[in-house]
This record gives sequence, structure tokens and C-alpha cells, in this order.
Amino acid sequence: GQQLNQSPQSMFIQEGEDVSMNCTSSSIFNTWLWYKQDPGEGPVLLIALYKAGELTSNGRLTAQFGITRKDSFLNISASIPSDVGIYFCAGLMNYGGSQGNLIFGKGTKLSVKP
Amino acid sequence: DSGVTQTPKHLITATGQRVTLRCSPRSGDLSVYWYQQSLDQGLQFLIHYYNGEERAKGNILERFSAQQFPDLHSELNLSSLELGDSALYFCASSVGTGYNEQFFGPGTRLTVL
Repeated sequence: GQQLNQSPQSMFIQEGEDVSMNCTSSSIFNTWLWYKQDPGEGPVLLIALYKAGELTSNGRLTAQFGITRKDSFLNISASIPSDVGIYFCAGLMNYGGSQGNLIFGKGTKLSVKP
Repeated sequence: DSGVTQTPKHLITATGQRVTLRCSPRSGDLSVYWYQQSLDQGLQFLIHYYNGEERAKGNILERFSAQQFPDLHSELNLSSLELGDSALYFCASSVGTGYNEQFFGPGTRLTVL
């Protein structure tokens, strides 16, 4: 089946540092989504991307839809302690029929040292 | 608080049993989505209902079924439970059918012994 390779699996950074993570796939997606999950809670959508090459920001977060449509990147600038959590990418393909399928990466666990 | 409620919060049962998880969407939301999150498989999309009708199916096993009722709440039924079904089950809801509009509930943690 389809798989998303998300890296890195975990990151330990100092407060104030920038963070980069990415997802790659052998399949083409027509939408990329980035989520954050805090312990004991459900994921929260951070950014949605709809077009190849699209670059979208949400505060200190910036995400890009790769030109090949097979990858996406998330950057967090000037990290703060509340950025701690697990970040997931998700790719959506062929939505519109009965086979719309959202595929998730395994997550990047971010730890921030004050 | 996302406004999506899920019950029960925790469920412990035995292999071979059947359980029902319940989800109440946010007021006004017509779509309900179900997801499974386990340590080995990660987060997986199971199924999507919109206004009572199935709209999309993901990696949902045949032992699992779901429905959305006229009052828009949804139930996920898991039968012939196996140890590997132990996971967090999330429900999400949205007004329309866009995945980018979803709000997730707090989840139901299922433990199969």
C-alpha cells in the first residue's frame, strides 16, 4: 500500500532554534496536510497545501508542497517550549469518489529544551 | 476542547469480543471521520460519513463497521477483537467534506487483553 516516509523520527532542540521535517512518498498526492498532536489529545491541523510548489505559512510555521507532488516540508522558526509534540504529515489522493484515502506519516516527535 | 465528544474514554475488553465506540460531532458538522492510531501502524484513516452516507473508505478491516445516524452521531463497531486492535480510536468532524476542516475528538483508548 501507499506509504509516507517522514523524517526525522525525533528531534531534540534548544529553544529558539529552527526546525525542519519532511515527508516523501513514491506516490503522487493532490493535497498535503500537516498536523500536531499533543499528549492525550487528537491531532490538530496546522497547514493544508493544495498545489504543487505552494508555500503556506501559519505564524512561525511554514510548509511547502513539493514540485513533484511526492513530498512536503514543514519548518518551524524560533521554536518555543509549547512546540513540543508529535507532528504528522498526511497526503490525500483521489478524493471525490468512494476511494478517497488519507495516508499519514509516522510522525516526528519534537522536544524543546528551554 | 474541539467540540467533538467520544465515549467511552477507555475500554478494556477480551479477544473475540465486540465493542461499540460512539462519536458526537460538533454542532452543525455533517461529516464524521474515524481513525485508528496504534504504535506499530501509526495513524490510519478508517472511514468517512457525510450526512448519513458513506463517502470514503480507508484501511478499515471487514470486522469493523461504522454508521452515522439521523442525529449525525456515529458509531464504530469492532467485532471479533484481536490483540492487535488495541489502539486509540479518534473521531473527527467537519461541516463539509474537506479534510482540512476537521476537528478531532479526544479519542477512545481500546485495550484488548
